[in-house]
Amino acid sequence: NAGVTQTPKFQVLKTGQSMTLQCAQDMNHNSMYWYRQDPGMGLRLIYYSASEGTTDKGEVPNGYNVSRLNKREFSLRLESAAPSQTSVYFCASTGTPQTTDTQYFGPGTRLTVL
Amino acid sequence: QKEVEQNSGPLSVPEGAIASLNCTYSDRVSQSFFWYRQYSGKSPELIMSIYSNGDKEDGRFTAQLNKASQYVSLLIRDSQPSDSATYLCAVIGTGRRALTFGSGTRLQVQP
Repeated sequence: NAGVTQTPKFQVLKTGQSMTLQCAQDMNHNSMYWYRQDPGMGLRLIYYSASEGTTDKGEVPNGYNVSRLNKREFSLRLESAAPSQTSVYFCASTGTPQTTDTQYFGPGTRLTVL
Repeated sequence: QKEVEQNSGPLSVPEGAIASLNCTYSDRVSQSFFWYRQYSGKSPELIMSIYSNGDKEDGRFTAQLNKASQYVSLLIRDSQPSDSATYLCAVIGTGRRALTFGSGTRLQVQP
């Protein structure tokens, strides 16, 4: 099992460009999450999908859109990238959104917006 | 006030010592508490979870939870240089479906 995979690993964008970050999990998990991590600020939730067909905003959703393509895949789209979106993006998944479930993280995407 | 607060460190301890990492949280109804370890440039990995008051031990790691004081801690016994990393405290409150993270404490274990 690969666990949680993310593509790309690194990306450099110019202000105003768009891109989609891809995430897939092979653990048959129902819930998936997108976080961003900035220096000294821990991880902050952007969007999550409690189950296939549902998505909800997290703490910092502005400037992002998501798609839960199927049970395995959850993508994050930046429509018009801004320098403030320079960050490391982590995707995570868990079996159910119950409070006792462990979240498993992907390796991350390092995004720089110039 | 941040929802989950941690001292950013660095916390420096000699090899073989006990490292004590602390975390406080503001949501009184929080029910689930996690400690993640993150090496530089890597993703977080879960090392401990705790759900009820008291201590929970797993090898060299002990998590301690005090819900009345809204406080959770992680003790690392016999610290090794390989324990040098950032330790993230994370909390899930009732009705919430995702983790709220602290900003992390950087631990340095000196050989």
